[in-house]
Amino acid sequence: DADVTQTPRNRITKTGKRIMLECSQTKGHDRMYWYRQDPGLGLRLIYYSFDVKDINKGEISDGYSVSRQAQAKFSLSLESAIPNQTALYFCATSDKTGWWDTQYFGPGTRLTVL
Amino acid sequence: GEDVEQSLFLSVREGDSSVINCTYTDSSSTYLYWYKQEPGAGLQLLTYIFSNMDMKQDQRLTVLLNKKDKHLSLRIADTQTGDSAIYFCALGGYNKLIFGAGTRLAVHP
Repeated sequence: DADVTQTPRNRITKTGKRIMLECSQTKGHDRMYWYRQDPGLGLRLIYYSFDVKDINKGEISDGYSVSRQAQAKFSLSLESAIPNQTALYFCATSDKTGWWDTQYFGPGTRLTVL
Repeated sequence: GEDVEQSLFLSVREGDSSVINCTYTDSSSTYLYWYKQEPGAGLQLLTYIFSNMDMKQDQRLTVLLNKKDKHLSLRIADTQTGDSAIYFCALGGYNKLIFGAGTRLAVHP
């Protein structure tokens, strides 16, 4: 089984709908991250969490919210989806190792907002 | 803020060497990474280099770091069709990674 799983893998929705993307990990890592990938822009950090009680905004958090339900679960919500949130979304995890931060990625969720 | 730049596309012939380049503005990163993304998949860590190193070799992969010029490169020897993917460089600082836009490597016969 994969260490970092994301559900759903693909989702098509309409403008204004609420969407939740889920991420689960079996690596036992404390840190979890949500990124979005747009062509030509690389990955941009949306939110990150260092443990269940610690949630931090990334560089593009507007329009998104997150919930860390447990050490192994980190979900991303779009309260009212808009077309420019169409992107590939990745969840990642890392261990608490201080200054360096090797991250392990899930397979991604392709979201299309019509 | 930090800026990481990569060329977007590279085409090489099977069996040749590929060199993917990355330049950055922030020199405080402790670790510099190369990730590979195959079609329909997430990012896979390929290799990394400590900021106090100049070179690291790992089988067909060679990473070169020029701190003075803030330039990082990944050389893939004997490039194969299975190496076709998008390659991202990323700078690791305290608690975060900054990614480049990715270089799409196309390998042709």
